[in-house]
Amino acid sequence: AQTVTQSQPEMSVQEAETVTLSCTYDTSESDYYLFWYKQPPSRQMILVIRQEAYKQQNATENRFSVNFQKAAKSFSLKISDSQLGDAAMYFCAYRSVGNTPLVFGKGTRLSVIA
Amino acid sequence: GAGVSQSPSNKVTEKGKDVELRCDPISGHTALYWYRQSLGQGLEFLIYFQGNSAPDKSGLPSDRFSAERTGGSVSTLTIQRTQQEDSAVYLCASSFGGLGNEQFFGPGTRLTVL
Repeated sequence: AQTVTQSQPEMSVQEAETVTLSCTYDTSESDYYLFWYKQPPSRQMILVIRQEAYKQQNATENRFSVNFQKAAKSFSLKISDSQLGDAAMYFCAYRSVGNTPLVFGKGTRLSVIA
Repeated sequence: GAGVSQSPSNKVTEKGKDVELRCDPISGHTALYWYRQSLGQGLEFLIYFQGNSAPDKSGLPSDRFSAERTGGSVSTLTIQRTQQEDSAVYLCASSFGGLGNEQFFGPGTRLTVL
């Protein structure tokens, strides 16, 4: 079975600075998808960024980018120019190929300091 | 509506009572997922429906939990004889069928068992 580990329960960053959230996973599959979700206090899970394992190029979405290291099974999220609205729980998630359920890490609570 | 909706938003019940949680997926989405988020934990998969196929119930924690999906649309998660450890946020997600499609989440139902 696949597992996802987020080793940082809490992180903080100064507004306008850059922060990196860590995620590692364990799988024997060669093709899969990786995601970062944001969960603000409203509880609504919002997809931040996704990465297909067969793509070597790291995904980027505006201020959000990932460092995908397939051999190391690492998938970190970098948030540049942090904003107050970035404060939330961030979850790393894994999904096998196909319409299968997501496997989540336990999350990292990000605080943004003005 | 445009997104996944869940009702009720919050539910408080007494130990031993049965509860029903409802999920309305996005119109046209063939896949529907239920997850549970306990305090301080990541999201845990419960059950997954895909079209007319038999549901994947492998994540249900006990036989007190069941779910159905009527007409390929609305889903109801039922917890019988609730226990205090059932207290959690129950999240529903839906997606189109096919490979790698994004799961869209509802706002969740916070269940408190006294």
